[in-house]
Amino acid sequence: EPEVTQTPSHQVTQMGQEVILRCVPISNHLYFYWYRQILGQKVEFLVSFYNNEISEKSEIFDDQFSVERPDGSNFTLKIRSTKLEDSAMYFCASSTGLAGETQYFGPGTRLLVL
Amino acid sequence: AQSVTQLGSHVSVSEGALVLLRCNYSSSVPPYLFWYVQYPNQGLQLLLKYTSAATLVKGINGFEAEFKKSETSFHLTKPSAHMSDAAEYFCAVHGSSNTGKLIFGQGTTLQVKP
Repeated sequence: EPEVTQTPSHQVTQMGQEVILRCVPISNHLYFYWYRQILGQKVEFLVSFYNNEISEKSEIFDDQFSVERPDGSNFTLKIRSTKLEDSAMYFCASSTGLAGETQYFGPGTRLLVL
Repeated sequence: AQSVTQLGSHVSVSEGALVLLRCNYSSSVPPYLFWYVQYPNQGLQLLLKYTSAATLVKGINGFEAEFKKSETSFHLTKPSAHMSDAAEYFCAVHGSSNTGKLIFGQGTTLQVKP
């Protein structure tokens, strides 16, 4: 069964450093998402992406964040200058459509900012 | 704006007992509702979803949920808990039909005692 994959599974970085989290969505999916889950808190929406454009972003997704689909298979989340509060589990998801369509989640990348 | 409230951050049941995880939603439009499960160190997996067809929705692993518009609820049930059901469960609603953003509840940790 096709699945969403994410790399790395864990990343430790120093505050102020740039990180790139990578995702390979399911191949025939058109809509891509990033969510994050701070330890002990709920899963929060960051950004949705379709047709090489951001469809919607949350207030969390400030100028330090960017997303890109550099080729036909990868979908990346970049944090330019990490802060302590960026420490979280980051999930990538993809779907074939919008309302009512199932979003398939990857296993997540646990980011720790020191 | 859409929102989801899960009553009870922790639920503990004995193996073989009924599982009931509560979810109430707020939505200004007919909602699309989802239950996801997260096993330790894994991503989110869809259990079931409501997309305005049948109000009683059956999902994987013997779970089901009933959409009750009058009560704005979408509670998750399973007649007989199994040890393997121990996990975190998230209720979610589509925040927007235009972007597919999912809004999650706080999550409920299900503990199953032998």
